[in-house]
Amino acid sequence: DTGVSQDPRHKITKRGQNVTFRCDPISEHNRLYWYRQTLGQGPEFLTYFQNEAQLEKSRLLSDRFSAERPKGSFSTLEIQRTEQGDSAMYLCASSLFPRGYEQYFGPGTRLTVT
Amino acid sequence: DQQVKQNSPSLSVQEGRISILNCDYTNSMFDYFLWYKKYPAEGPTFLISISSIKDKNEDGRFTVFLNKSAKHLSLHIVPSQPGDSAVYFCAASTNDYKLSFGAGTTVTVRA
Repeated sequence: DTGVSQDPRHKITKRGQNVTFRCDPISEHNRLYWYRQTLGQGPEFLTYFQNEAQLEKSRLLSDRFSAERPKGSFSTLEIQRTEQGDSAMYLCASSLFPRGYEQYFGPGTRLTVT
Repeated sequence: DQQVKQNSPSLSVQEGRISILNCDYTNSMFDYFLWYKKYPAEGPTFLISISSIKDKNEDGRFTVFLNKSAKHLSLHIVPSQPGDSAVYFCAASTNDYKLSFGAGTTVTVRA
């Protein structure tokens, strides 16, 4: 039973560059969530998918952020024109809806914008 | 708006003693509560949960208590072990299954 995987684990980029992160959920899970965590805070909800449909986007997600889950399996999160305030840990989680509330998290991608 | 609050940023406890972590929430629509544990450089790991229709749930050394009238829940770990040293997050969900997290409590278990 493989867990949630994320790639890359670390990303350092210069301000203004675009970055893309990938998340592979647990295979049978139909829901996939993206969260952002900054130092000293808990994860904050960004967006989520049920299968390939994006059901909700947080107001935290500016127009520079876009997420996809094209075939209802893996998902990508792209940040365009990165800013220093985008530096954070980006976490992906998956769950089996509606069986349970429990979400299973990947190890995260740490983004540093210089 | 922080709907889930963990007011103690850190907790130090001696090995073998009880650890009690507290969490308060403001949204009365929350109907499911979860605790996650996080080690450095890893994602949060699900620990234990409780539905709003219950007031207690137990799993081995971990027990979660829910007081709906006070909008308060707590996690008891007994006995505490060195491997329990981690950051613990309280999370809550409404019927949309999204999670709202607290800021976390760092637990240090002393030998």
